Amino acid sequence: QSALTQPASVSGSPGQSITVSCTGTSNDVGGFSHVSWYQQHPGKAPKLIIYEVNNRPSGVSSRFSGSKSGITASLTISGLLAEDEADYYCTSYTTSSSLFLFGPGTKVTVL
Amino acid sequence: QITLKESGPAVVKPTQTLTLTCTFSGFSLNTPGMSLGWIRQPPGEAPEWLALIFWDDDKRYTPSLKTRLSVTKDTSKNQVVLTMTNMDPVDTATYYCAVPRWNDVYDLMWFDPWGQGVLVTVSS
Repeated sequence: QSALTQPASVSGSPGQSITVSCTGTSNDVGGFSHVSWYQQHPGKAPKLIIYEVNNRPSGVSSRFSGSKSGITASLTISGLLAEDEADYYCTSYTTSSSLFLFGPGTKVTVL
Repeated sequence: QITLKESGPAVVKPTQTLTLTCTFSGFSLNTPGMSLGWIRQPPGEAPEWLALIFWDDDKRYTPSLKTRLSVTKDTSKNQVVLTMTNMDPVDTATYYCAVPRWNDVYDLMWFDPWGQGVLVTVSS
């Protein structure tokens, strides 16, 4: 069971904006800026889309953005496209012996 | 450009030892500061990191599996090998290797890039 909490599913219509939350503690999300987000399509490896809370790797669409407030980080997808339908995982550094945490994942559905 | 590819058996029997190889290019594990990690993802579940190996042969293992894991490197072949003993059906997962990214005080920040993964099924 993950120490990070994400909603199991989020859905939206094409063109809409949606937000996926990731809640941790002061020992992980709340205490550091080391929050990242991955997109995973079925049968594919996870792809890094946000690192250090709000930075996008080269080549990742500007429709993806990240933020953090307290112990909760958020991923926002604006202008939702059919191709955004995927699983999204947040991750965070942690001071616990676990070292690094993955969230349980959120399935994003484009209606 | 960094590339990684995992290889190993598709099926192992319960109680057997799993051996997986990650073959990489685009960097050297002889370079100070470099490291490589193993991550697994059971079907329909979230990933979890398993093991890390550093350029100086330092190693880290996820606490819950520490007694079953071993990671080694062969820098001449650009390969890292993960072994996991006493395999069980709950260990059925896709196993990935990936490059960890660290800050100056060695906080693990993210993994990127990842290999394509290899699905390992534990079944008799």
